[in-house]
Amino acid sequence: GESVGLHLPTLSVQEGDNSIINCAYSNSASDYFIWYKQESGKGPQFIIDIRSNMDKRQGQRVTVLLNKTVKHLSLQIAATQPGDSAVYFCAEIITNTGNQFYFGTGTSLTVIP
Amino acid sequence: EAEVAQSPRYKITEKSQAVAFWCDPISGHATLYWYRQILGQGPELLVQFQDESVVDDSQLPKDRFSAERLKGVDSTLKIQPAELGDSAMYLCASSLTGTSGYTFGSGTRLTVV
Repeated sequence: GESVGLHLPTLSVQEGDNSIINCAYSNSASDYFIWYKQESGKGPQFIIDIRSNMDKRQGQRVTVLLNKTVKHLSLQIAATQPGDSAVYFCAEIITNTGNQFYFGTGTSLTVIP
Repeated sequence: EAEVAQSPRYKITEKSQAVAFWCDPISGHATLYWYRQILGQGPELLVQFQDESVVDDSQLPKDRFSAERLKGVDSTLKIQPAELGDSAMYLCASSLTGTSGYTFGSGTRLTVV
């Protein structure tokens, strides 16, 4: 499958600080991106998505930024809470190949109380 | 809230035995995906269905894995014979249009001994 890599495998942040999780994707044809949160022993949970015709999208405490020039995606979590501790995956979808998902290896976020 | 149902949650099987996993997508979701997730890695697409038809099974090890979605609703993934390297989390996801609403089930944790 396609390669969707993450810059940092682990990230530790102090409770209340902002977190930034980065992701590099490889295929310039990707036109839909999703960030997932996965807690231990559970399936990935949808956080936020963004389409390639946008460069920023905001949700509740989360913001996704897309830079198509350098094929980079980031997830910003504001005022990080202990419940945010999990593994975060970015995924890219290339609609011209039938909407297949490609995932990276994930970033493990630990929030220090 | 609608969920993707998977069963069993856990399965331990001996190598060379057959094992099967079941997935019931969210009602009305035409696209169904099976993923394998090895511990510490991102999910890897095994097979994608659109209704009852296979859209992509290029990463499915067809000598031992099979998947079906006979009526375009629920789906079964089978492994026969199981090998030690098949130990992983098997995740099912569904989406309404193939470009939005991707939802994962809780997964089946398979251990081959």
